[in-house]
Amino acid sequence: NAGVTQTPKFRILKIGQSMTLQCAQDMNHNYMYWYRQDPGMGLKLIYYSVGAGITDKGEVPNGYNVSRSTTEDFPLRLELAAPSQTSVYFCASSRGLAGGPTGELFFGEGSRLTVL
Amino acid sequence: EDKVVQSPLSLVVHEGDTVTLNCSYEVTNFRSLLWYKQEKKAPTFLFMLTSSGIEKKSGRLSSILDKKELFSILNITATQTGDSAVYLCAAPSNFGNEKLTFGTGTRLTIIP
Repeated sequence: NAGVTQTPKFRILKIGQSMTLQCAQDMNHNYMYWYRQDPGMGLKLIYYSVGAGITDKGEVPNGYNVSRSTTEDFPLRLELAAPSQTSVYFCASSRGLAGGPTGELFFGEGSRLTVL
Repeated sequence: EDKVVQSPLSLVVHEGDTVTLNCSYEVTNFRSLLWYKQEKKAPTFLFMLTSSGIEKKSGRLSSILDKKELFSILNITATQTGDSAVYLCAAPSNFGNEKLTFGTGTRLTIIP
């Protein structure tokens, strides 16, 4: 019963490097999300997807890209890492529309990224 | 811009005390308000509230929504050290209907 799995859990990047955060869910959920959480701040939506092949920007998409080739996977790519991208990243999924009757979000355990 | 504001930002109480956490919101086309508990890692779902005056309960936790005054409270009675966590509230915004706007959270610490 894995739920939402994120890898890696921790990563240190140098400025200008690129990397991909992996996210997989085994609940057959249509909706998937990437959030970032900075200290003392709420979760901010980076990108989301309503199904395979469909993605859209959230509040803070700059410096990131996503793809959704399958229902299960929703990787987040950081291009040209900057110190401002130091954060904890959470992937989440839901069966239905966020906040709707089946819109409970299930979160992964987070990926802590530091850019130096 | 949609807003969700939580208070207090942090709270320290002794085991056995009762606490009340507050969440106010300004969200276009309000549909629901959600509470999450975040211990060291992933936020976990507690409640979803859609109707005023209906109290949701789960053991020692309960929550109620006031759609007229635009706020919700989360009560925890007979607190235990395992209740120590950050409690987040969130509401879906009108941004594409898929975005949850989160508050900054209340950090609750229970002292044994």
